Amino acid sequence: SQQGEEDPQALSIQEGENATMNCSYKTSINNLQWYRQNSGRGLVHLILIRSNEREKHSGRLRVTLDTSKKSSSLLITASRAADTASYFCATVSPSGSARQLTFGSGTQLTVLP
Amino acid sequence: KAGVTQTPRYLIKTRGQQVTLSCSPISGHRSVSWYQQTPGQGLQFLFEYFSETQRNKGNFPGRFSGRQFSNSRSEMNVSTLELGDSALYLCASSPVPGQGIGLWWTEAFFGQGTRLTVV
Repeated sequence: SQQGEEDPQALSIQEGENATMNCSYKTSINNLQWYRQNSGRGLVHLILIRSNEREKHSGRLRVTLDTSKKSSSLLITASRAADTASYFCATVSPSGSARQLTFGSGTQLTVLP
Repeated sequence: KAGVTQTPRYLIKTRGQQVTLSCSPISGHRSVSWYQQTPGQGLQFLFEYFSETQRNKGNFPGRFSGRQFSNSRSEMNVSTLELGDSALYLCASSPVPGQGIGLWWTEAFFGQGTRLTVV
């Protein structure tokens, strides 16, 4: 079963704009990860944030984590057409294996040139 | 380093048949996990293998099975295929086992997947 929901389900923006995606989850976590998937292909890891961290940056990506609200957000700044993809959050439970990821439902991002 | 390799990329099978999918992890990675992705259920964890042993299993029927070889390569098998088994099957490898809490915080490296169509 899926851990939670992501919203919006779909997001369409112009190149250069920022894109924000939200993820909510249901149970306690060890860490939360974001992945990108291009058109039905494999997933690419973007960023990992631990349960004791509140914010993390990687290039044009900024992730926040609010464990009290069981939610996370992914911000992509200055979006490019190449950012068009589906974005998934995935959680790891405190007692679980880092290799068992529970995925959200995903956000389809379209960046228009 | 070569990435995770899954073969074949595409498969078409008939209901009732069985299928075997293969995954070669990144060199040095000893953990292999499998996921099923469908439009209706999204991405769901199937199972994970480390040191040739199944460590975790998701909520799937016994028709779904797997194994891992001494070189860390893994196969998954689905017997008595059903139409609902049509999906993208993704394999992921990870570098180290979760022996200590710090070592649990690892990312997964995914292959391109095998697209299985059951007709």
